[in-house]
Amino acid sequence: DAKTTQPNSMESNEEEPVHLPCNHSTISGTDYIHWYRQLPSQGPEYVIHGLTSNVNNRMASLAIAEDRKSSTLILHRATLRDAAVYYCILTGSQEYGNKLVFGAGTILRVKS
Amino acid sequence: DADVTQTPRNRITKTGKRIMLECSQTKGHDRMYWYRQDPGLGLRLIYYSFDVKDINKGEISDGYSVSRQAQAKFSLSLESAIPNQTALYFCATSDFRLGGTDTQYFGPGTRLTVL
Repeated sequence: DAKTTQPNSMESNEEEPVHLPCNHSTISGTDYIHWYRQLPSQGPEYVIHGLTSNVNNRMASLAIAEDRKSSTLILHRATLRDAAVYYCILTGSQEYGNKLVFGAGTILRVKS
Repeated sequence: DADVTQTPRNRITKTGKRIMLECSQTKGHDRMYWYRQDPGLGLRLIYYSFDVKDINKGEISDGYSVSRQAQAKFSLSLESAIPNQTALYFCATSDFRLGGTDTQYFGPGTRLTVL
């Protein structure tokens, strides 16, 4: 499984944008980039995913580098409820092999 | 009502006991997964099932077994629990779209303590 590298932790002020980086230099052409987050005492929650183009949804935006070797999850206005562990995960598009491999993720702290 | 439910939510047991954790889903998904999470670490895959007749081992299946009773139910068993199986266990489901990728939906977790 292709690996990802994320900072251990980041801190943000409430109401400010947050950019969470992820490096995935060994990504293959068919790997999707997924982001999940895990709030305290809860199961992981899907945030967003993309393949080549930038993506937006109601929760966040995903910016994917042109060479696909890195990506950035963007929370446009951080709130205290966004404090969580954020996981950047690669998963293939094949019918078999879509298992999620979780790393340690990035702990996001949001200050009021 | 939650789409993915897990029972029990908390369980304390003793070494050597047989334990079953249950997962049910109302999402109509074919694929189901069991993960464990240890403090400060990400999730690790124990078993996964792509349909009722398809069961596969994950990266840490030793000491565990599973049963897919129906599309909506996937149980995880610890035949003889040991203390290092103390962890948070999550069930997940997904709906694969051919030619694309799938998104996993997680249950609330079961906190298991083996004394």
